[in-house]
Amino acid sequence: KNEVEQSPQNLTAQEGEFITINCSYSVGISALHWLQQHPGGGIVSLFMLSSGKKKHGRLIATINIQEKHSSLHITASHPRDSAVYICAVKTGNQFYFGTGTSLTVIP
Amino acid sequence: NAGVTQTPKFQVLKTGQSMTLQCAQDMNHEYMSWYRQDPGMGLRLIHYSVGAGITDQGEVPNGYNVSRSTTEDFPLRLLSAAPSQTSVYFCASSYSWGGANVLTFGAGSRLTVL
Repeated sequence: KNEVEQSPQNLTAQEGEFITINCSYSVGISALHWLQQHPGGGIVSLFMLSSGKKKHGRLIATINIQEKHSSLHITASHPRDSAVYICAVKTGNQFYFGTGTSLTVIP
Repeated sequence: NAGVTQTPKFQVLKTGQSMTLQCAQDMNHEYMSWYRQDPGMGLRLIHYSVGAGITDQGEVPNGYNVSRSTTEDFPLRLLSAAPSQTSVYFCASSYSWGGANVLTFGAGSRLTVL
């Protein structure tokens, strides 16, 4: 049973394209996180959402609590955006993670 | 601030050996947690702590022990390593366990059990 499902699993885009990564979850949550994992393995937090929409530079994250769905958008994608993007939800004291979306942006 | 520091970065063990993965944070975070990351699977919670002296099990606790004697440190112990524990381990912390707080991750520890 997967509490968090992400799509697509893999994504290849040309530089400059608009990218969307989707996350659906099945549990009640207090917050949803978008994380970025670079090939070196380090994980950094991009966004934490409990409602609405957040924007940071070229990245936009939205969440629809009623539909239990979140999207991460990257505008004007760049090769340095190539990474694995992970959706995680917090329920109680526990976190559940999606399997990640591997993004490759080609120059 | 060093953030979350994990050691060692790499370790090779033989089946049955014991070891401790160290995790330390200098941000006065209440919440600390350990995860394992396996190919094709999302990060899975092993154990977590909401403060010094308080620990609880996550999704995959078997074969692992933790303790939290100080706010800063949260070591993960493997008492008798098994090949199924070959994985990449991440420690993460956040300011408080309640509400919505950003997770800060360590750099990861790659463990191989032969």
